[in-house]
Amino acid sequence: EVRLLQSGAEVKKPGESLNISCQTSGYTFNTWWIGWVRQMPGKGLEWMGVIFPGDSQTRYNPSFRGQVTISVDTSISTAYLQWTSLKASDTAMYYCARPSADQHFDYWGQGTLVTVSS
Amino acid sequence: DIQMTQSPSTLAASVGDRVTITCRASQSIRSWLAWYQQKPGKAPKTLIYKASILENGVPSRFSASGSGTQFTLTISSLQPDDFATYYCQHYNGDPWTFGQGTKVEIK
Repeated sequence: EVRLLQSGAEVKKPGESLNISCQTSGYTFNTWWIGWVRQMPGKGLEWMGVIFPGDSQTRYNPSFRGQVTISVDTSISTAYLQWTSLKASDTAMYYCARPSADQHFDYWGQGTLVTVSS
Repeated sequence: DIQMTQSPSTLAASVGDRVTITCRASQSIRSWLAWYQQKPGKAPKTLIYKASILENGVPSRFSASGSGTQFTLTISSLQPDDFATYYCQHYNGDPWTFGQGTKVEIK
């Protein structure tokens, strides 16, 4: 069974760094893309980008390029979303999701709530 | 970027009603469209992919059609479990974009 298990909720201050994770199981991690989706409070879904763990090829939504970094650790089948300097506007729920063979998202993590507040 | 526009934004319906949600793309996306259902506080759930193919385990009261720029999601007989927000999303080239969502509420 495919599972995507995300790290727990985070409360951070502006300017701090953060790494949230998405631990996968039930499939061959290296051979499937994995991505991240943002949902700001009360708002819709936004595709942030995807990474192919086999070669770390990464595709970003231009709106998020330079704002976050998507990475993987293939030894533990885990994907990461990283910020070096958080802003209040980064407050959102973040979902990891796995694109299927035809590239639609077929499996989703449970979400990680990130709150950035001074 | 390809813009996805859903209508209506909110829909009030009763159990047993037939419900149709429309999604329009700003340019052709062929059949590279998915539909997701999201309930409050929960992750999205995939319903439909490639415009009309039901994901495994999705009830047959859900159906979808369309290609190019016009797509529809239909629930043939609305059930209590179906009150949720529905999103379309294209995956015809980067960046993938979602519609703004359609909230299906109890009438």
